[in-house]
Amino acid sequence: KAGVTQTPRYLIKTRGQQVTLSCSPISGHRSVSWYQQTPGQGLQFLFEYFSETQRNKGNFPGRFSGRQFSNSRSEMNVSTLELGDSALYLCASSPKGSGQVNTEAFFGQGTRLTVV
Amino acid sequence: SQKIEQNSEALNIQEGKTATLTCNYTNYSPAYLQWYRQDPGRGPVFLLLIRENEKEKRKERLKVTFDTTLKQSLFHITASQPADSATYLCALDGSSNTGKLIFGQGTTLQVKP
Repeated sequence: KAGVTQTPRYLIKTRGQQVTLSCSPISGHRSVSWYQQTPGQGLQFLFEYFSETQRNKGNFPGRFSGRQFSNSRSEMNVSTLELGDSALYLCASSPKGSGQVNTEAFFGQGTRLTVV
Repeated sequence: SQKIEQNSEALNIQEGKTATLTCNYTNYSPAYLQWYRQDPGRGPVFLLLIRENEKEKRKERLKVTFDTTLKQSLFHITASQPADSATYLCALDGSSNTGKLIFGQGTTLQVKP
């Protein structure tokens, strides 16, 4: 089975611009979560989608948004980029079903976003 | 608020020894706790999951314990090897029935030959 695929791997953007990151989960996985990883804050939860619905959202400003398509692929968007948005953005998919917990997350390689 | 702490940022040990990493949490009663390994420039890789009603779980050279009274998990790597050098992250479920995970800051393990 192919793993979680994130594109692009690296991205450089200017302050004020917007960016869209893409994530293709493992085939059959319906849950997709996004995380931001920085040296200072570590891994922080952004949001999770399941069957095209956002099930949970972390403590990030409204500039951070996402969506999930019917094939479970997901995108996240960051508008009006700030220098502090520079980070590794990780996507994770999970085989858990509706109401099911206790399953592991499979992470992609991440997208390294640099805002200049 | 929910908080999860890993006791040290870095741990250096000699090859062949047992590495023990600690994860403490407050203000929460997680249904389960997970451990991940992360290598530089790569995403975390799942290692073990332990549920609140389980005291211990093993997988090859790895062992995890979960003490809900102390609110602590211990992660052991026995007979450590230089290839075990990486950052190890603990994570607990942030809310029921969703995929939200709350991660610790990680402990970077260096195993010297």
